[in-house]
Amino acid sequence: EAQVTQNPRYLITVTGKKLTVTCSQNMNHEYMSWYRQDPGLGLRQIYYSMNVEVTDKGDVPEGYKVSRKEKRNFPLILESPSPNQTSLYFCASSSVPNSYNEQFFGPGTRLTVL
Amino acid sequence: QKEVEQNSGPLSVPEGAIASLNCTYSDRGSQSFFWYRQYSGKSPELIMFIYSNGDKEDGRFTAQLNKASQYVSLLIRDSQPSDSATYLCADSGGSNYKLTFGKGTLLTVNP
Repeated sequence: EAQVTQNPRYLITVTGKKLTVTCSQNMNHEYMSWYRQDPGLGLRQIYYSMNVEVTDKGDVPEGYKVSRKEKRNFPLILESPSPNQTSLYFCASSSVPNSYNEQFFGPGTRLTVL
Repeated sequence: QKEVEQNSGPLSVPEGAIASLNCTYSDRGSQSFFWYRQYSGKSPELIMFIYSNGDKEDGRFTAQLNKASQYVSLLIRDSQPSDSATYLCADSGGSNYKLTFGKGTLLTVNP
């Protein structure tokens, strides 16, 4: 089954404790992206990757890092989380950038930073 | 910075009616636009894509694009209660790599 998986699905952590949210896709997609969704602010792009070792900033990259060492994985790293990073995070992948025919979102990761 | 504006709603329509969702965008260079449906507590799901001026139809959904007015809309004909969701408009700019989303419009279809 074609899918994008994210782990963990829910996480409560404390300020400053480094964490990684994993994202994995099984469709051999080249393009992957991370978003955060906040009430009243909508969905905002954090980082995206066009292929292995090729990443670029979205609209809200501050406080986040990403890496793309393998095509299937695109982890999101919060080196020193702060309460303003409390949010719902989505990973997405597609065969070509934002493809109409094949675009998948992961189920989301709800992060709370105390 | 690019902006995409949507009426947050809620928009309430009776079952069987046409629901009209609207979106305006700020970047005149934008080429492609997407509509997503997001049920409460779920991830977004792509439902329509349009890049040419005019209408694009897919089943009960019609997307309309007017680049001169910088306006995109989504019409849902014969609305069903299962269409109740938040609808997100997104602008991919000129590159398709970066997506800018509107804040979404909550649609409620009443039986």
